[in-house]
Amino acid sequence: KQEVTQIPAALSVPEGENLVLNCSFTDSAIYNLQWFRQDPGKGLTSLLLIQSSQREQTSGRLNASLDKSSGRSTLYIAASQPGDSATYLCAVEGGKLIFGQGTELSVKP
Amino acid sequence: DTGVSQDPRHKITKRGQNVTFRCDPISEHNRLYWYRQTLGQGPEFLTYFQNEAQLEKSRLLSDRFSAERPKGSFSTLEIQRTEQGDSAMYLCASSFSRGANEKLFFGSGTQLSVL
Repeated sequence: KQEVTQIPAALSVPEGENLVLNCSFTDSAIYNLQWFRQDPGKGLTSLLLIQSSQREQTSGRLNASLDKSSGRSTLYIAASQPGDSATYLCAVEGGKLIFGQGTELSVKP
Repeated sequence: DTGVSQDPRHKITKRGQNVTFRCDPISEHNRLYWYRQTLGQGPEFLTYFQNEAQLEKSRLLSDRFSAERPKGSFSTLEIQRTEQGDSAMYLCASSFSRGANEKLFFGSGTQLSVL
């Protein structure tokens, strides 16, 4: 059974810092890994999708990496801004999306 | 608005009542998913449809839950005889299936509170 774990559960950083969010999964037989952002009380917004054959994807200040063999992914956020404050969720696709519990990020001005 | 829409946004009900939620996916999307999310947790898969066919149901979906997608467009999720443990955010997502790497688009969810 696929299990997805995200560390840390919460993170608070000052504005301008670079930061890394971690995601690990137990079954490497995946089609892809996706990172989502969720604002309080809202739905999820897709940030990045990394196919199983890819190592990384970039979008603006976001860079996500995937190491399928070790069951790990990281989301790197450069030059963090208060507007980045949200919960970040990773999910692996192996027929259906299985989510981690999320990392709640707070960027202080 | 071309996104996934869910109705209602909030629902408060008394234990034992039935509730129904609606999801309108993005119009050209053939797959529709329901997820449930409780506070501090990631979304948990409930069920999904490809067109009008319900292809998979989670064990989380007890016999009090039923989902339909009668014409392959909008979907409804009904919970009968609600219990306090049903209180959660119910999220709908849709995608256009082109194989294994489909991006999901989520609605804003329906927040259910069972008193």
